Amino acid sequence: ELKVEQNPLFLSMQEGKNYTIYCNYSTTSDRLYWYRQDPGKSLESLFVLLSNGAVKQEGRLMASLDTKARLSTLHITAAVHDLSATYFCAVNYGGSQGNLIFGKGTKLSVKP
Amino acid sequence: NAGVTQTPKFRVLKTGQSMTLLCAQDMNHEYMYWYRQDPGMGLRLIHYSVGEGTTAKGEVPDGYNVSRLKKQNFLLGLESAAPSQTSVYFCASSYASSGSRDEQYFGPGTRLTVT
Repeated sequence: ELKVEQNPLFLSMQEGKNYTIYCNYSTTSDRLYWYRQDPGKSLESLFVLLSNGAVKQEGRLMASLDTKARLSTLHITAAVHDLSATYFCAVNYGGSQGNLIFGKGTKLSVKP
Repeated sequence: NAGVTQTPKFRVLKTGQSMTLLCAQDMNHEYMYWYRQDPGMGLRLIHYSVGEGTTAKGEVPDGYNVSRLKKQNFLLGLESAAPSQTSVYFCASSYASSGSRDEQYFGPGTRLTVT
């Protein structure tokens, strides 16, 4: 059974600080996704990581994938309040069906 | 281009009542999915479809049925609602199931309460 674990589940940080969210998964997968969800809203795609060693950056967020370690990281640089949201990682497990298993999410709160 | 839309946005049902949630996408996507989101649980896949006329079970299919009569629509039915089905339901679609075009796009969600 594929399991996806995120940590931490809750993160309170000050503006200007750096931090990393971790996403571990239990079986082989070569695709991993990061989504953002604002309270009461839908999920917005942030990154699609398709291969080992993939690194993608958008603004203050950078995501990486290590398929050998079954680990993805989402690094936040110099956090700002607008980054406050819940971040989910998801792993493809369904082969040709494209089914995803989601982590439980990391609720990030950035305080002034 | 509306993307993925869901109807209704909110609904309150009594135990035992039935209802259908409608998902529509205008991106010509082959793959469509229904998820439920519960506090602290992330999203869990209920049913999915890999094309018009096809459906399959996901992780938590019990108590739900689906149909994909048209490529652009994916319906989720609750035949006899139970309080355990109180949740936020998200529909998603994707162009492909692999490669660089398998990113899933999500609808705005339907908040369902069963009393």
